[in-house]
Formats: sequence, C-alpha cells, structure tokens
Amino acid sequence: NAGVTQTPKFQVLKTGQSMTLQCAQDMNHEYMSWYRQDPGMGLRLIHYSVGAGITDQGEVPNGYNVSRSTTEDFPLRLLSAAPSQTSVYFCASSRRGQGNYGYTFGSGTRLTVV
Amino acid sequence: GIQVEQSPPDLILQEGANSTLRCNFSDSVNNLQWFHQNPWGQLINLFYIPSGTKQNGRLSATTVATERYSLLYISSSQTTDSGVYFCAVAKRYNNNDMRFGAGTRLTVKP
Repeated sequence: NAGVTQTPKFQVLKTGQSMTLQCAQDMNHEYMSWYRQDPGMGLRLIHYSVGAGITDQGEVPNGYNVSRSTTEDFPLRLLSAAPSQTSVYFCASSRRGQGNYGYTFGSGTRLTVV
Repeated sequence: GIQVEQSPPDLILQEGANSTLRCNFSDSVNNLQWFHQNPWGQLINLFYIPSGTKQNGRLSATTVATERYSLLYISSSQTTDSGVYFCAVAKRYNNNDMRFGAGTRLTVKP
C-alpha cells in the first residue's frame, strides 16, 4: 500500500515550458486535491476532484489544468510555466464522507521555473 | 472564502516544555483538521476536530466552534515535535475544499 505517490520529486523548467505533475493513490479514495506551498503562506488549494470525471477550482487555479479520468490518478498540468509558479506542490486524497476519512498527502514536488 | 489565522507564527521551546497553538477562523465550519509538517516536508494528519476535545498521547486539541477557534496542546515536547503545525478548515463536511492557515513553526531544542 503506497498511499499517495507524486512524481517527479524535483523539476526545473524554463519559462514557457509545459509539464505534468503526476499524482496516484491506491487507497480507492474518492477525493483528490492539489495544493501549492509557498514560504510563509501555508498551503493553497489549486484544484480538486470529488470523483472520476468531476473537477473544480480552488483558491489559485490560474495557469493550471486538471483532469480525473480514473479514481487513482489526478495529474496537474502547467500549460506555460512562469516564475510565479515556483513552489512545492502537494497532492492529497481522502475518502468521501463526514469525518476524518484518511486525509493523506503525497511527499511533494519541488518545482523551479527559471 | 474563510480566513484562517494561526498564532504564534514561531515558537521555540526547550525539550520537556508544554505549548499551546491557536487557530482562529472567520466563518462557521463543519470540518477542522490539524496537520504536522516535519522538517523533511511530509504532512501528517493529527486530528479531525470540528468541535469538542480529542487527545492522542502527548497531543490534544480543542475546538470551540461557536467562538471560531481551535487550540492544539503539546505536552512534554520532544525534538521530534519540531516542524510546522497547520490548521485547515472547510465549510462542508467533506474534505474537498480545505483552507489552510499559514502555520506555526515549532522548534524544540534539546
């Protein structure tokens, strides 16, 4: 049982390049989310999904796209990277329902845009 | 959206000391959780506590929903307690739209 797996762990991009951050979970969790963490600002929600085929925007969605074709995978796409997107990105998943149904984070992807 | 404020922003303790971390939120919530981020960046869920009091070993948490605040207590602190503690809230019962505070950075010195 691997939990939430994020790849890659580190990435350097040039301004204007595109890339996809991968997130996969093997716990059959309905809910998945992407956050970015910047120094002194805590975690901010980018996009989230309540199930396959359903996604919605969080606090800071601009510049990012997501899709959820399977329960297990929730990739985050940067369409045209900008230096303001330099951050640490975390994926999280949890079960559906009221209560603490296993809110689990991946180990993060550290992205630098130059 | 809901505003979440945590205090203090930084806290330095000697090993064995006790501490209290506070989380204030601006609106009624049905979901409140505390997380610990260790020095290696890993985030671990500590408590789900939209109201009431819970305890887990040396850690306990209390949320007073009517007054919109939550407290995390750490007793007999150890160096392994170091890291950043985050409070996160959501208006809905489920976990699909959590909003985080800026965190309290705790350093426990031996």
